Amino acid sequence: NAGVTQTPKFQVLKTGQSMTLQCAQDMNHNSMYWYRQDPGMGLRLIYYSASEGTTDKGEVPNGYNVSRLNKREFSLRLESAAPSQTSVYFCASASSYGYTFGSGTRLTVV
Amino acid sequence: AQTVTQSQPEMSVQEAETVTLSCTYDTSESDYYLFWYKQPPSRQMILVIRQEAYKQQNATENRFSVNFQKAAKSFSLKISDSQLGDAAMYFCAYRSPYFGNEKLTFGTGTRLTIIP
Repeated sequence: NAGVTQTPKFQVLKTGQSMTLQCAQDMNHNSMYWYRQDPGMGLRLIYYSASEGTTDKGEVPNGYNVSRLNKREFSLRLESAAPSQTSVYFCASASSYGYTFGSGTRLTVV
Repeated sequence: AQTVTQSQPEMSVQEAETVTLSCTYDTSESDYYLFWYKQPPSRQMILVIRQEAYKQQNATENRFSVNFQKAAKSFSLKISDSQLGDAAMYFCAYRSPYFGNEKLTFGTGTRLTIIP
């Protein structure tokens, strides 16, 4: 089925560890996004990529880096995880009509 | 910058009744898109309804309809004949109309409980 695939679905990290969240879409969308969801705060934009080869900061970029590897793939990296990065992370791709979201990654940093 | 406000953290409704979820937004743009998303316990983000600001007619999708008041910057969601499967978090979201700028700005959400 066409859509957005995120891996992993769950992850527990120790403070200071690094990891990369992977995202791939087969919608042929130009733009891709990373959001984090925290209780009582809705979804907040971390980084986005309007097209292959470009990335820009969103509302809450500190502590994260991204790579738009090609049109399909957009990864999010935590270089040194902190407890404040405990959250649910969503990847999405978009066209002018609408969004397609991945199923989310629940990340816990202990 | 645009902001989206959902002032009802939680709502409940009896099964088969009607409920309205509120959303207000702030923007200086004249054209934009507004959305309601549903997030059930599965965590999946599901598009419920979409409204284009230049269209005066309120969007409708089966039991879901909106009351879009552009001058008041209000965008409420009405769910008719509520069903147990409607229980979820509901998020209101705003998007600019410009190509390459499809960023969504979300409200903080309303948790809807359906009472059998």
